Amino acid sequence: DAKTTQPTSMDCAEGRAANLPCNHSTISGNEYVYWYRQIHSQGPQYIIHGLKNNETNEMASLIITEDRKSSTLILPHATLRDTAVYYCIVRVGGGATNKLIFGTGTLLAVQP
Amino acid sequence: KAGVTQTPRYLIKTRGQQVTLSCSPISGHRSVSWYQQTPGQGLQFLFEYFSETQRNKGNFPGRFSGRQFSNSRSEMNVSTLELGDSALYLCASSLAGEAYYGYTFGSGTRLTVV
Repeated sequence: DAKTTQPTSMDCAEGRAANLPCNHSTISGNEYVYWYRQIHSQGPQYIIHGLKNNETNEMASLIITEDRKSSTLILPHATLRDTAVYYCIVRVGGGATNKLIFGTGTLLAVQP
Repeated sequence: KAGVTQTPRYLIKTRGQQVTLSCSPISGHRSVSWYQQTPGQGLQFLFEYFSETQRNKGNFPGRFSGRQFSNSRSEMNVSTLELGDSALYLCASSLAGEAYYGYTFGSGTRLTVV
């Protein structure tokens, strides 16, 4: 699975959009980009994933660059409850293994 | 729809003892994975089960083992506990063998070894 690089921490004002970047320059053609978040003392929560097209769901949007070497998770209107560690994971979708390799993630602090 | 249920939520054990943790996946989910989370090492993959078979194993000693039952419920066992085994143990389930759907994690079992 490709390695990802994320900033250690970010701040965002409540009500503003939070844009969390992720670099995955060694991504392969069949690898998906997944985003999870973990609120303190809870299990990680799946947010969104994509292959090469931009994706949107009720929680967030995922923008993947055309060369797929980086992506951005967008929380359109951040709230205090979005304060969490956000993990960007790149892995093959499908196959004989469902192992997720978590990096250190980005601690997003939403400020009132 | 019930989520992933892990029991117990908290556990205190003494060094040298063994412990069994339980995970009930979402109904219909056949893939169950286990992770260990510590402040120093972060989230680390332990093993994954699909249809009662272990498909993948992380880099942990043989003291860590698991199994999956025909109803997809899973247990993990840690024998001869060490202080370093103190951690949050998380279980995740997925709809099918593929990871297209994303995982649903439980709230975890916090194990403290004294």
